[in-house]
Amino acid sequence: DGGITQSPKYLFRKEGQNVTLSCEQNLNHDAMYWYRQDPGQGLRLIYYSQIVNDFQKGDIAEGYSVSREKKESFPLTVTSAQKNPTAFYLCASTKTGTGFTREQYFGPGTRLTVT
Amino acid sequence: AQKITQTQPGMFVQEKEAVTLDCTYDTSDPSYGLFWYKQPSSGEMIFLIYQGSYDQQNATEGRYSLNFQKARKSANLVISASQLGDSAMYFCAMREAGTYKYIFGTGTRLKVLA
Repeated sequence: DGGITQSPKYLFRKEGQNVTLSCEQNLNHDAMYWYRQDPGQGLRLIYYSQIVNDFQKGDIAEGYSVSREKKESFPLTVTSAQKNPTAFYLCASTKTGTGFTREQYFGPGTRLTVT
Repeated sequence: AQKITQTQPGMFVQEKEAVTLDCTYDTSDPSYGLFWYKQPSSGEMIFLIYQGSYDQQNATEGRYSLNFQKARKSANLVISASQLGDSAMYFCAMREAGTYKYIFGTGTRLKVLA
């Protein structure tokens, strides 16, 4: 079955360490996204990529970095510069093309705790 | 700037009754898409329903329907015959015209009572 894989589901890190969250999709989607969700909050866009080797900052990109070397993969690195990294991180993807009927498909999420 | 507003942080509904979750949006572009997602406690986001700005009829998907009032810029989700499994967070989202950027509201937590 096609879908989006995020690993691990739970991640614990010490303050000051960089950590990379994995996101892989086998849906043949061109666009991929990273969102951050804090308790009781909506989704805030960190980065998104419409094609390989290209990505754009979202609303809260500071302290995060991404790469898009392959169509299927869009890893997110949470750097030590991110002031409050503890959150739930969701990866998503969508097909590109004409029209607005393109819903996003989401991975199961990674819950990151930094102490 | 585009914006999605969900003013109901939490809602209760009795099992088997209908419930409406509010969503208003702001955009200056005539072409846009509106989406509703469900997020159970497990965290995954489930796509429920889509409405395009040029669609003449309100979208329906099973027990979900979208009450689209373009002049008022509202896209309310109606869930009919609520079930206990409908208890979750519900998010309204809009796709920004000309890009593949999606904007989400802050969500409404729905609790279905037995």
